Amino acid sequence: AQSVTQPDIHITVSEGASLELRCNYSYGATPYLFWYVQSPGQGLQLLLKYFSGDTLVQGIKGFEAEFKRSQSSFNLRKPSVHWSDAAEYFCAVAAGRVSGGYNKLIFGAGTRLAVHP
Amino acid sequence: DTAVSQTPKYLVTQMGNDKSIKCEQNLGHDTMYWYKQDSKKFLKIMFSYNNKELIINETVPNRFSPKSPDKAHLNLHINSLELGDSAVYFCASSRLSGGSYNEQFFGPGTRLTVL
Repeated sequence: AQSVTQPDIHITVSEGASLELRCNYSYGATPYLFWYVQSPGQGLQLLLKYFSGDTLVQGIKGFEAEFKRSQSSFNLRKPSVHWSDAAEYFCAVAAGRVSGGYNKLIFGAGTRLAVHP
Repeated sequence: DTAVSQTPKYLVTQMGNDKSIKCEQNLGHDTMYWYKQDSKKFLKIMFSYNNKELIINETVPNRFSPKSPDKAHLNLHINSLELGDSAVYFCASSRLSGGSYNEQFFGPGTRLTVL
């Protein structure tokens, strides 16, 4: 069965430090992978997505992620974290293949990022 | 213009009541979804509708009944509310196209509290 694992429940970094959030997936075919961010009390905003092609994808707000098939990973990175990046981050994989496409997202449990000044 | 909207944003009610949450999208998408986010922030698909037809029902209790009057709307009606139904419910929409995946756009969420 398809699944997404985010091993880190909670991460704290200092402002200006680099960040890496881990994501591992389990999926039989080529995955469609996503990172979403949820600020406190807010909805979900798409940061970036991987469908195919270049394994390093760029997203909004200075985030990037690298798809590594051999490690079944899709880790999210940012070279310098800002205080406004404090939020919950979700990795997800598209699943539920139907004739028209994929019809659901399977999410990881999320990683809460705290940023110290 | 808001792409995916939900009403109400907050809903506080007593156990045993019946309540509805409404969702509307103005993106011209043909597929809409309901996700539930529990108190531990875990997000899980509940339902998916494509062109008003149910295509996913992830073993959700039959107290939950989605209704899609047209492609732009997907409402969620919950009967006999229980404490465990307290959660944030997210609506989403996307275009389902042949053999590929199109981004799901999420609404702002409805926080349901059952007392």
